[in-house]
Amino acid sequence: QSVLTQPPSVSGAPGQRVTISCTGSSSNIGAGYDVHWYQQLPGTAPKLLIYGNSNRPSGVPDRFSGSKSGTSASLAITGLQAEDEADYYCQSYDSSLSDNWVFGGGTKLTVL
Amino acid sequence: EVQLVQSGAEVKKPGESLKISCKGSGYSFTSYWIGWVRQMPGKGLEWMGIIYPGDSDTRYSPSFQGQVTISADKSISTAYLQWSSLKASDTAMYYCARLIAELEPGDYWGQGTLVTVSS
Repeated sequence: QSVLTQPPSVSGAPGQRVTISCTGSSSNIGAGYDVHWYQQLPGTAPKLLIYGNSNRPSGVPDRFSGSKSGTSASLAITGLQAEDEADYYCQSYDSSLSDNWVFGGGTKLTVL
Repeated sequence: EVQLVQSGAEVKKPGESLKISCKGSGYSFTSYWIGWVRQMPGKGLEWMGIIYPGDSDTRYSPSFQGQVTISADKSISTAYLQWSSLKASDTAMYYCARLIAELEPGDYWGQGTLVTVSS
């Protein structure tokens, strides 16, 4: 059971918009800690997609965006492409567990 | 170019010891943290702990405290993850990642080291 809760799967057709939620609590997201998002393509290492809730590293298309409100965060992907099919993970910090960096359980995005 | 290059896949027996490595290049190795992440087969990501090679300050996630040892040799820009007695449940892919600061995300990742523990 992950400290951060994500839906196991989401899907969308090419060109559509999908969102992936990441729900935490008052000891992590709600405490003001930043949320980061990673994309893991099949058989590869995770790649940083969004940092500091809503910032994109250089090279990440602006089709990817992040937001945070209260104890939750979201990743939105617009103009869905086949190459976006991957696992997505949110990550934050939890102050209730001694020095613990926490991930969500991951969401499998399927492009129909 | 920032790169983290990890050591190759390992096949070990239960009870054996193991040390895997992560070599950083293209940046000041002593100015960034290195974190280790476990991914068990078909499962999600789990932070194991982080180390600051500049002074070897090390933090472990509670789940991994006492189970593994994280270390670094700044003279060769390499971080390590080691086990003294492997278990079958240690079978997983292990990734290292660079962190700008303790609460920041992993901005560059190694390619992963697959550890298989089987009798």
